Amino acid sequence: DQQVKQNSPSLSVQEGRISILNCDYTNSMFDYFLWYKKYPAEGPTFLISISSIKDKNEDGRFTVFLNKSAKHLSLHIVPSQPGDSAVYFCAASGIDGSSNTGKLIFGQGTTLQVKP
Amino acid sequence: GAVVSQHPSRVICKSGTSVKIECRSLDFQATTMFWYRQFPKQSLMLMATSNEGSKATYEQGVEKDKFLINHASLTLSTLTVTSAHPEDSSFYICSAREGGPPLHFGNGTRLTVT
Repeated sequence: DQQVKQNSPSLSVQEGRISILNCDYTNSMFDYFLWYKKYPAEGPTFLISISSIKDKNEDGRFTVFLNKSAKHLSLHIVPSQPGDSAVYFCAASGIDGSSNTGKLIFGQGTTLQVKP
Repeated sequence: GAVVSQHPSRVICKSGTSVKIECRSLDFQATTMFWYRQFPKQSLMLMATSNEGSKATYEQGVEKDKFLINHASLTLSTLTVTSAHPEDSSFYICSAREGGPPLHFGNGTRLTVT
């Protein structure tokens, strides 16, 4: 049972345009969401997060939107740069008190390619 | 920011041998570390939670006798894959957090069992 889903395995955008990566979750107990970026053969790098009490969090070119009623979050990258090309994972925590421990449930990842 | 160091980055071993992977939190103390595993083109799956000074907590389906975890100090956790088999070949990643979220990840270890 995949509790965190990224239904688009890949996304290709032109440099300078907006990249929108989507993530859906099924468990309403999740209360904290994170986006990680990952290059091959490396560990994930934290990008941005959002608490369930918010619906938007912005950090530079990265903005995360949370729609709790739809159980959906998205990561917007604008403007997209070729260096943003990587696999992006969304992750959630909060069930069974896991927000206190740090346990994360990851989506399957979306491979973003930003073309020059 | 918090840095998590993992060693080795890649290892090749023969079937039946054991392999130890180290995870260190640099410049911060981590009472809890997490071990994840990633199969090719799949998501990261939590294997176990490593607790300093006590036994690790394993996720359902993870064999604790096969994946031995030792959290000997506030900055070091080790994962030992015992009697490795080819199906254990995977990318193993440790993580820790400095106080609250987010989790910070090491660079992972690519294990290949021949």
